[in-house]
Amino acid sequence: EAGVAQSPRYKIIEKRQSVAFWCNPISGHATLYWYQQILGQGPKLLIQFQNNGVVDDSQLPKDRFSAERLKGVDSTLKIQPAKLEDSAVYLCASSRNGELNSPLHFGNGTRLTVT
Amino acid sequence: GQNIDQPTEMTATEGAIVQINCTYQTSGFNGLFWYQQHAGEAPTFLSYNVLDGLEEKGRFSSFLSRSKGYSYLLLKELQMKDSASYLCAVRVRSGYSTLTFGKGTMLLVSP
Repeated sequence: EAGVAQSPRYKIIEKRQSVAFWCNPISGHATLYWYQQILGQGPKLLIQFQNNGVVDDSQLPKDRFSAERLKGVDSTLKIQPAKLEDSAVYLCASSRNGELNSPLHFGNGTRLTVT
Repeated sequence: GQNIDQPTEMTATEGAIVQINCTYQTSGFNGLFWYQQHAGEAPTFLSYNVLDGLEEKGRFSSFLSRSKGYSYLLLKELQMKDSASYLCAVRVRSGYSTLTFGKGTMLLVSP
């Protein structure tokens, strides 16, 4: 099966600019996650969708970050305006559902550098 | 909230055995995952434990003790390609299930 697709692979922007990331999960996977991974740390959950509804966005900086999952398939994550501390890898993952032993499958991520 | 602790770094020699520990404090525990992440790549799934005991999968094994909030990943017959970060992640349930990751253990395998 095709894996989780993400684009772009790399992005460099200046602070206060806007940026958007795109994710296409594995076909049939109901749950989609966006994680932020700062260098040397583990992934931190930003937002979790079940189909097209948000089930957890408690760690999403909502004053600058937004995400949507239209029609319960593709998702976009936006940052506006970006700050230096947003430099990180943004990982999208999907799972068949959000339950029990359903493992997460990760995309290759988008490496964002804010200058 | 959840608290997950792992050693930051470990080193081992090719052909040896290494054990990477993970301790966690959480409510609503609903399973523990181990992921492997090579530098610049996405995490890949290694193992899953929800009941106490040892799960073996080839050279990799994972152990869980729910009463102690403790897990370990055991890697046997180490190979150079096993040099990577190993992430412990805990699934909790509070109406829905979410996965929280530790900071990862960087394992360096030397010849």
